Amino acid sequence: EAGVAQSPRYKIIEKRQSVAFWCNPISGHATLYWYQQILGQGPKLLIQFQNNGVVDDSQLPKDRFSAERLKGVDSTLKIQPAKLEDSAVYLCASSPQGHEQYFGPGTRLTVT
Amino acid sequence: GENVEQHPSTLSVQEGDSAVIKCTYSDSASNYFPWYKQELGKGPQLIIDIRSNVGEKKDQRIAVTLNKTAKHFSLHITETQPEDSAVYFCAASLGGGSNYKLTFGKGTLLTVNP
Repeated sequence: EAGVAQSPRYKIIEKRQSVAFWCNPISGHATLYWYQQILGQGPKLLIQFQNNGVVDDSQLPKDRFSAERLKGVDSTLKIQPAKLEDSAVYLCASSPQGHEQYFGPGTRLTVT
Repeated sequence: GENVEQHPSTLSVQEGDSAVIKCTYSDSASNYFPWYKQELGKGPQLIIDIRSNVGEKKDQRIAVTLNKTAKHFSLHITETQPEDSAVYFCAASLGGGSNYKLTFGKGTLLTVNP
């Protein structure tokens, strides 16, 4: 079974620029999560989708971050404009139903 | 909200020894406790999990114990091997309805010396 796919794997941008990340979950998984992992810390949930609806976006900085999951499959996470403190690994995870979450390899973002 | 504390932050053991990582959580309603292993440049990999109706779970060299009264859970790795070297994260989830948000600890860097 193919795992969660993410692209790009690495991205370097200047502050105030915009960036987008893409995630393809495991086939058949209804739930999709985006996490932010700052160096030396555990992942922190940004947003959770159930099919194409948002379940929890309470920790998403909505003034600069946005996410969508069209047709209940792939998802994109966008940052506009980026700040230095957005430098982190952005992880996508998916879940068939219930608790177990399976993570992709992540996108490492560096904002200079 | 939920808060998860994880100790130690770093752990170094000799190959063949046991390793123990401990976590505490704050919300007594949490009912699911997974452990993830993260190797350099990779995403977290689920290695074992336990639900609140179970006190202990084993999978070969890995075991997890849960003490609901004290609100703490632990990961035990026996007969450690160099390939066990990684960062390990514990997490807790309230899990209900369609919301299964995970709150993670800060991680433990485990080094197994040959």
